[in-house]
Amino acid sequence: EDQVTQSPEALRLQEGESSSLNCSYTVSGLRGLFWYRQDPGKGPEFLFTLYSAGEEKEKERLKATLTKKESFLHITAPKPEDSATYLCAVQAHDYKLSFGAGTTVTVRA
Amino acid sequence: NAGVTQTPKFQVLKTGQSMTLQCAQDMNHNSMYWYRQDPGMGLRLIYYSASEGTTDKGEVPNGYNVSRLNKREFSLRLESAAPSQTSVYFCASRGTQSYNEQFFGPGTRLTVL
Repeated sequence: EDQVTQSPEALRLQEGESSSLNCSYTVSGLRGLFWYRQDPGKGPEFLFTLYSAGEEKEKERLKATLTKKESFLHITAPKPEDSATYLCAVQAHDYKLSFGAGTTVTVRA
Repeated sequence: NAGVTQTPKFQVLKTGQSMTLQCAQDMNHNSMYWYRQDPGMGLRLIYYSASEGTTDKGEVPNGYNVSRLNKREFSLRLESAAPSQTSVYFCASRGTQSYNEQFFGPGTRLTVL
């Protein structure tokens, strides 16, 4: 059974204080690892897909990396608008997604 | 281009009542999904439809039924609502490429009393 564990559950940052979120996974035949952002009361919004170990992708202050067992979402010099819940999901051979519980990030000005 | 739309946005039911959650997408996607999201548990797949005319069970299908009405629409029905079905429900769709990301709707917040 596919398993995705995200840590920490919650992260409080000062504006400009860089940090990283972790997503560890066990899956049989990884087809892709996805990062989503979710704002309160809204649906998840796609950020990145990573396909193989060593791959990195960036978008503004966010950078996602992937190893064979985990992925990291690095937030560089965060701003209050980066406050959200960040979800990690893995896609296996049957093309369904298995989600982690998420990390809620709060950035204070 | 509205993406994925869901109705209603909020609903309160009494135990035993039935209702249908509606989902539509205008991206010409083949695959559609229904999830529920509960605090601390992440998104869990209820049912999915890989293509028009097919549906399959996900991780938590008990108490639900689905209908893929056409390529655009995928509905979720609760025949006899229970308090354990209080949750936020999300519909998603995915394009035809194997690794395409899923696009999510805004969600339906359902409370069963």
